Amino acid sequence: EIVLTQSPATLSLSPGERATLSCRASQSVSSYLAWYQQKPGQAPRLLIYDASNRATGIPARFSGSGSGTDFTLTISSLEPEDFAVYYCQQRSNWPPGYTFGQGTKLEIK
Amino acid sequence: QVTLRESGPALVKPTQTLTLTCTFSGFSLSTSGMCVSWIRQPPGKALEWLALIDWDDDKYYSTSLKTRLTISKDTSKNQVVLTMTNMDPVDTATYYCARMVLVTHAFDIWGQGTMVTVSS
Repeated sequence: EIVLTQSPATLSLSPGERATLSCRASQSVSSYLAWYQQKPGQAPRLLIYDASNRATGIPARFSGSGSGTDFTLTISSLEPEDFAVYYCQQRSNWPPGYTFGQGTKLEIK
Repeated sequence: QVTLRESGPALVKPTQTLTLTCTFSGFSLSTSGMCVSWIRQPPGKALEWLALIDWDDDKYYSTSLKTRLTISKDTSKNQVVLTMTNMDPVDTATYYCARMVLVTHAFDIWGQGTMVTVSS
């Protein structure tokens, strides 16, 4: 089973700064990698799918990159509403299924 | 507008079977490429994918939980049902259902979630 490892566990930044979140897969997932944002008490929200495609309504400050085993979510200039927990998720062909990373908490410095 | 809503018991006893229903609107699970999945999240912990059913009635389960899970759909009612047997306190979590459009390999619309506590 493919394991996703996110780093760092916690990232402390200020509004206006650039955030770079990492997700590493234990084996290649091609480009089948998605990113989600979750705020306290809310369901996750899809940000990025297929590694680099923004979901509907997601601001352009969010971007995704990578392929194979190493992926990055970048937030170009943090807004106050961006402080949340971020998860990556992959789809595997065998065994068929999906897994999530353990999350990165983006907190206000 | 696509919406999903989970329903089921808030409290179950250890060893009991949990049955959760996801009622959705705004899309049809008989449309090619449409899927509905269940995902859970223990308090303060990460998301865990449980199961998925697609438009063709193919079903996929978490490797670690597959012996305890059954997913099914009722297309006419726009519902997906998940059963989980032999519940344990470690299964205490918020359970979400979410839609996937297969070509995206991602869960684009989520329900609000339903909290299930396992306790005697």
